[in-house]
Amino acid sequence: DIQMTQSPSSLSASVGDRVTITCRASQTISSYLNWYQQKPGKAPKLLIYAASSLQSGVPSRFSGSGSGTDFTLTISSLQPEDFATYYCQQSFSTLFTFGPGTKVDSK
Amino acid sequence: EVQLVESGGSLVKPGGSLRLSCAASGFTFSSHNMHWVRQAPGKGLEWVSSLSGRSNYIFYADSVQGRFTISRDNAKNSLYLQMNSLRAEDTAVYYCARDFDYYSSGTYYKGIDYWGQGTLVTVSS
Repeated sequence: DIQMTQSPSSLSASVGDRVTITCRASQTISSYLNWYQQKPGKAPKLLIYAASSLQSGVPSRFSGSGSGTDFTLTISSLQPEDFATYYCQQSFSTLFTFGPGTKVDSK
Repeated sequence: EVQLVESGGSLVKPGGSLRLSCAASGFTFSSHNMHWVRQAPGKGLEWVSSLSGRSNYIFYADSVQGRFTISRDNAKNSLYLQMNSLRAEDTAVYYCARDFDYYSSGTYYKGIDYWGQGTLVTVSS
């Protein structure tokens, strides 16, 4: 199975900060990488697919980059509604796997 | 509007069985692969299983292979997860989720674009 790791596991940031989350795959996955946002008690929400494509309706402050094994999710200017947990997920394999998550909270 | 509504979660004893259901609406159900994803209390997301629109391709996570069975009824716009030999570590919120395809430069990229609200399964004596 393809293993996904994320760093950091948590971070504290302020509104307006630039936030970067890293995701790494245990083998090359080309651009088969998606990012999700989850708030407490809610279902996840798709933010980025195919490593860098912004899902419809998602603010442009969110962006994704990377290919192969190393990927990045960037929030250019953190907004109050962005405090949440972020997960990467690979779809290179038919057995999807998620990263362990990165919790973004208020400094 | 796409809607996915799970049901069937409850408290069950270790070794017991449970069947989850997911009612889909707002899209052509038979045209989409579907997934079950779970989340243990306070933990991250774990993909459980998926099947294709015509049920000819089925996949399971190693952790549930041989114990869980995914199925669908396209006439009823419904997805199911039959869970047998349940263990304490199967305790989680189970989400029904829709697969999507994105085609670019000769490649199909896949992911999950819609999720239900989840149903809680608790395995405890």
